[in-house]
Amino acid sequence: AQKITQTQPGMFVQEKEAVTLDCTYDTSDQSYGLFWYKQPSSGEMIFLIYQGSYDEQNATEGRYSLNFQKARKSANLVISASQLGDSAMYFCAMREGTGGFKTIFGAGTRLFVKA
Amino acid sequence: SQTIHQWPATLVQPVGSPLSLECTVEGTSNPNLYWYRQAAGRGLQLLFYSVGIGQISSEVPQNLSASRPQDRQFILSSKKLLLSDSGFYLCAWTLEEGVAYEQYFGPGTRLTVT
Repeated sequence: AQKITQTQPGMFVQEKEAVTLDCTYDTSDQSYGLFWYKQPSSGEMIFLIYQGSYDEQNATEGRYSLNFQKARKSANLVISASQLGDSAMYFCAMREGTGGFKTIFGAGTRLFVKA
Repeated sequence: SQTIHQWPATLVQPVGSPLSLECTVEGTSNPNLYWYRQAAGRGLQLLFYSVGIGQISSEVPQNLSASRPQDRQFILSSKKLLLSDSGFYLCAWTLEEGVAYEQYFGPGTRLTVT
């Protein structure tokens, strides 16, 4: 069964506006971590933000925030004040406490920021 | 600070030829190391991970293998490449095994099998 689902293959957003990238996950573990990574056209994966399963507050890192809804098993990424440099692929990922602490990635969402 | 290197950056190889991709990490000790493959426009597929020298776990049975001859060196190999081996190969590391530790990725190797 797919453990990380990103249902938006592509998204468009106007520069300076906010955008939400969706991510749902599936796990039976109580302890897990959720991550978002950015992959620009260069190919390198860049870590953006982390949310722990026991964290009560939503994580924030600058213009990035993670909307964590544990009961719904969703971990959406919100990018505020989009910039042209935000155009990239975005991957949601999960790291479970069992199974060797492997990180599982979703299929990704390609974000296009329009000027 | 920690740095991760991968080489080569790009590689074009004929079907049936061998492969060796290398990944090294600087500035840390005893990292957990990972090899991923990314097909064009797709997500990352975990191929191998290692928690220590000589310790390799395989996630996908295929014609690839991995080795960790030194603490900070991770090698991906194949004796005979297939067309389906084409893709973008990424090496990554984490310092701890806990759920809270993000991965740091190398620049990747773009492999084209012709």
